[in-house]
Amino acid sequence: KAGVTQTPRYLIKTRGQQVTLSCSPISGHRSVSWYQQTPGQGLQFLFEYFSETQRNKGNFPGRFSGRQFSNSRSEMNVSTLELGDSALYLCASSRGQGWDTEAFFGQGTRLTVV
Amino acid sequence: AQTVTQSQPEMSVQEAETVTLSCTYDTSESDYYLFWYKQPPSRQMILVIRQEAYKQQNATENRFSVNFQKAAKSFSLKISDSQLGDAAMYFCAYREYNTDKLIFGTGTRLQVFP
Repeated sequence: KAGVTQTPRYLIKTRGQQVTLSCSPISGHRSVSWYQQTPGQGLQFLFEYFSETQRNKGNFPGRFSGRQFSNSRSEMNVSTLELGDSALYLCASSRGQGWDTEAFFGQGTRLTVV
Repeated sequence: AQTVTQSQPEMSVQEAETVTLSCTYDTSESDYYLFWYKQPPSRQMILVIRQEAYKQQNATENRFSVNFQKAAKSFSLKISDSQLGDAAMYFCAYREYNTDKLIFGTGTRLQVFP
């Protein structure tokens, strides 16, 4: 079956702009989580959605937001981009039913802010 | 708050030899999951092995095994018969109970020499 799909794979934006990243989970998975990966801060949790509800949120400013649709696809949005937002953004999906589930990751979206 | 520490930024091993990657974590919870993920240059995170905290038996997956010491909050990964394809970043991760939120360590870069 198809894996987790993230689009686009690469993105270049200018400071001050906004960006929307998309994540399509594995069919049947209802939980989607987002992570930011940078050389300086490593992998940091952004947020987690389950059945269209945000279940957890990491310690990021309000410029970072997300949502999940009824088909479990998820988007994350970053407004007023800063240079420090340049990172690899990873999405992971799981069945989300109970905690005995495995998270499968997408290949990420590489965002560069100039 | 839970934290995960990987004290070895880089490790190297000769092909066919054995290497152990270290991980310690801090939590006040009694139920949780621990994971080792591999991130090759393609950047896709791949699950290597997982351990349920309530299980005393150490998890094993082919050439990969863990040494889980719950009281010491230690979770090391042993790779036996190392192969060139094992070269990657390895991340130790903790998952909180009843969520899909993963807390990652800073990673260990493993080099494998022929």
